Amino acid sequence: AQSVTQLDSQVPVFEEAPVELRCNYSSSVSVYLFWYVQYPNQGLQLLLKYLSGSTLVKGINGFEAEFNKSQTSFHLRKPSVHISDTAEYFCAVNGAGSYQLTFGKGTKLSVIP
Amino acid sequence: KAGVTQTPRYLIKTRGQQVTLSCSPISGHRSVSWYQQTPGQGLQFLFEYFSETQRNKGNFPGRFSGRQFSNSRSEMNVSTLELGDSALYLCASSLGFTSGTDTQYFGPGTRLTVL
Repeated sequence: AQSVTQLDSQVPVFEEAPVELRCNYSSSVSVYLFWYVQYPNQGLQLLLKYLSGSTLVKGINGFEAEFNKSQTSFHLRKPSVHISDTAEYFCAVNGAGSYQLTFGKGTKLSVIP
Repeated sequence: KAGVTQTPRYLIKTRGQQVTLSCSPISGHRSVSWYQQTPGQGLQFLFEYFSETQRNKGNFPGRFSGRQFSNSRSEMNVSTLELGDSALYLCASSLGFTSGTDTQYFGPGTRLTVL
């Protein structure tokens, strides 16, 4: 069984400031981790994914995430946010032998001008 | 390459009715998954189809069903609608051959409102 915890339901941040969205997971098998973004009235767009290899993963729109196996975390970061980054962000996990994603509850990022 | 398309985008139904939602995957993708998104429960997995066979099923009542056609297009059906079925229904497609690492690409969703 897998589970994902997104520790913050809402994160306000000023424009051009850095941001970190936190994600912790639990799984009894090897995991593969994903971050998706959802803009209002839209579906989910893949930001980045960790499958194997380097623990620092770079994605679209300047986002990056670091896989930390010992802390079972996969936090998402951006050094300088823009108004257009205002959206809801979902961390998801998939496990070996599984074809279904398990999602966290989401973090709403609000960028303040 | 065209993305995942879902029709219709919006639906309004009344309790007791049934509804069918459609999903066309990315060309070449053989797996289609369905998820329900609500403010209270978040994103929950409904089921996944691969090559016209249901391969995985989430914890939803039998009123929720689906199918996949030979061209990989998928439909999901909800019978005897309840108020609690109001949600955004998201379809995702993937190649479907490698468990775990298979990347899912999502459509825009169908917003179902049950009155």
